Amino acid sequence: GAGVSQTPSNKVTEKGKYVELRCDPISGHTALYWYRQSLGQGPEFLIYFQGTGAADDSGLPNDRFFAVRPEGSVSTLKIQRTERGDSAVYLCASGEGLGGEQYFGPGTRLTVT
Amino acid sequence: QKEVEQNSGPLSVPEGAIASLNCTYSDRGSQSFFWYRQYSGKSPELIMFIYSNGDKEDGRFTAQLNKASQYVSLLIRDSQPSDSATYLCAVNRNTPLVFGKGTRLSVIA
Repeated sequence: GAGVSQTPSNKVTEKGKYVELRCDPISGHTALYWYRQSLGQGPEFLIYFQGTGAADDSGLPNDRFFAVRPEGSVSTLKIQRTERGDSAVYLCASGEGLGGEQYFGPGTRLTVT
Repeated sequence: QKEVEQNSGPLSVPEGAIASLNCTYSDRGSQSFFWYRQYSGKSPELIMFIYSNGDKEDGRFTAQLNKASQYVSLLIRDSQPSDSATYLCAVNRNTPLVFGKGTRLSVIA
């Protein structure tokens, strides 16, 4: 079946702009995760949804970052007033529940100039 | 602080040999353990998971878990050049995954 999809695959934006990154999880997966990966590092957790609600947003670095999942399927990660330090690959993963296997999408490479 | 430690490598092995990748973790309550393979420029791909002490085999891959020593490893038998990638260890305890920085494996033909 179809895996996790993410759009766009690449996003270049200027410092201070607003961006939205989209994730479409595997059909039927109730858990959805956002991670961020910088070069040479493992993915770092940002936020986790179980259904429509954000069950854990402790990884969001500051209030410029926000994510929604209004219908319990597609999720959007929103970044306001982007900074050069936000440049990274943003990864989305989905799974059947907390503690279980997670399957990653191809990621969105964000570059803030 | 929850940490997952891996040797960054590169680990170089000849084609056909066994590659042994190691990972230690600090959270003694961790319950689930995962190995992901990540090719350059690609996203992580789940290749093995293990929940209980002991060995779990899947094809050429074997995951080994020792909770008392807080140690998990991945063995790749009959290594192939296509196995060359970064291998990420990840653990959780009913929380989102905590990843190590990964070990870069190079299989030399």
